[in-house]
Amino acid sequence: EPEVTQTPSHQVTQMGQEVILRCVPISNHLYFYWYRQILGQKVEFLVSFYNNEISEKSEIFDDQFSVERPDGSNFTLKIRSTKLEDSAMYFCASSEQVGRYEQYFGPGTRLTVT
Amino acid sequence: QQQVKQSPQSLIVQKGGISIINCAYENTAFDYFPWYQQFPGKGPALLIAIRPDVSEKKEGRFTISFNKSAKQFSLHIMDSQPGDSATYFCAASNGGSQGNLIFGKGTKLSVKP
Repeated sequence: EPEVTQTPSHQVTQMGQEVILRCVPISNHLYFYWYRQILGQKVEFLVSFYNNEISEKSEIFDDQFSVERPDGSNFTLKIRSTKLEDSAMYFCASSEQVGRYEQYFGPGTRLTVT
Repeated sequence: QQQVKQSPQSLIVQKGGISIINCAYENTAFDYFPWYQQFPGKGPALLIAIRPDVSEKKEGRFTISFNKSAKQFSLHIMDSQPGDSATYFCAASNGGSQGNLIFGKGTKLSVKP
């Protein structure tokens, strides 16, 4: 069964460093999302992406964040200058097409900022 | 208005019992209501979902009940098993061209043998 994959599974970085989290969505999916989950809390929407541009973003997704689909398979989230409060699980999700609402989540990347 | 309120925060059920988790929303533009199951260290897995044009949807032991007028929906897990022990999140979306999900705070379910 097709699934969303994410790398790395765990990333440790120092405050102020840049990190790039990578995702490979399900191959025929057209909508891509990033969510985050601070330990023990709910999952929060960050950004959605369609047709090589951002569709919607939350208040969390400030100028420190950017997303890119550098090729036909990868979808990346970049955090330019990490802060301690960026420590969280970051989940990538994808859905098939307009009007199909089901979103499938990857296993997540645990980001630890020290 | 964008919030989804979920209760209870935690739930302990005996094996074979019924687990019931409730959610409420305010935004009447929401038109898609999924439930996700999450095991520790894993991503949320889509369990079952409902649209507001039906009042109930059943898949195996999992049932969503939906009350449009009350703006509430609930997940029922029949014949709960220890393997069902996980955190369950309800969510809501207004679909359209974005469809970003608004999640509840989650319910940690423990099913005792």
